[in-house]
Amino acid sequence: DQQVKQNSPSLSVQEGRISILNCDYTNSMFDYFLWYKKYPAEGPTFLISISSIKDKNEDGRFTVFLNKSAKHLSLHIVPSQPGDSAVYFCAASAQVGAQKLVFGQGTRLTINP
Amino acid sequence: DAGITQSPRHKVTETGTPVTLRCHQTENHRYMYWYRQDPGHGLRLIHYSYGVKDTDKGEVSDGYSVSRSKTEDFLLTLESATSSQTSVYFCAITPGQGHEQYFGPGTRLTVT
Repeated sequence: DQQVKQNSPSLSVQEGRISILNCDYTNSMFDYFLWYKKYPAEGPTFLISISSIKDKNEDGRFTVFLNKSAKHLSLHIVPSQPGDSAVYFCAASAQVGAQKLVFGQGTRLTINP
Repeated sequence: DAGITQSPRHKVTETGTPVTLRCHQTENHRYMYWYRQDPGHGLRLIHYSYGVKDTDKGEVSDGYSVSRSKTEDFLLTLESATSSQTSVYFCAITPGQGHEQYFGPGTRLTVT
């Protein structure tokens, strides 16, 4: 049973426009959510996170929104740049201490010039 | 840079052979993790460690064992490799008490 789902395997966006990546979860015990970016042949890199006590967190061009009632989070990238082309994973955590992250399947974002 | 290295970076091995992957960190972080990445599954936790000689199972631990005899090294062993263990393996650490994990560059393992 996939507890964290990214239902769009791929997304194509024009440079300069907004990219919106979506993620749904089923476990109501999740209390912390993270987004990672991954380039080919590299490890995932941490991008931005949000605690369940917030509904929005912003860092430069990246904003994460959390809708707890819908068990849905989204990552907005604006404006999108060619270097944003990568695979994006959302992840969720339900405990402190040893953080056992549960990842979604990933969405491949392509930014077109 | 989280100071994480993984070795080897690439390995091809035959079914039934033992394989050990190494994760090395330079900053004395308490928590270390092993994940595998497969198409359609994202990253899945294999095992994790919360201190020297303290380890526990993750979501997909069958066929894998781990050891942590020193703070800086976390070893993942496939006792008898199978083709289903062909994957990319990532090590990660958690600095301090935060939720964020930081990943190494990965090891691509192919079992023929």
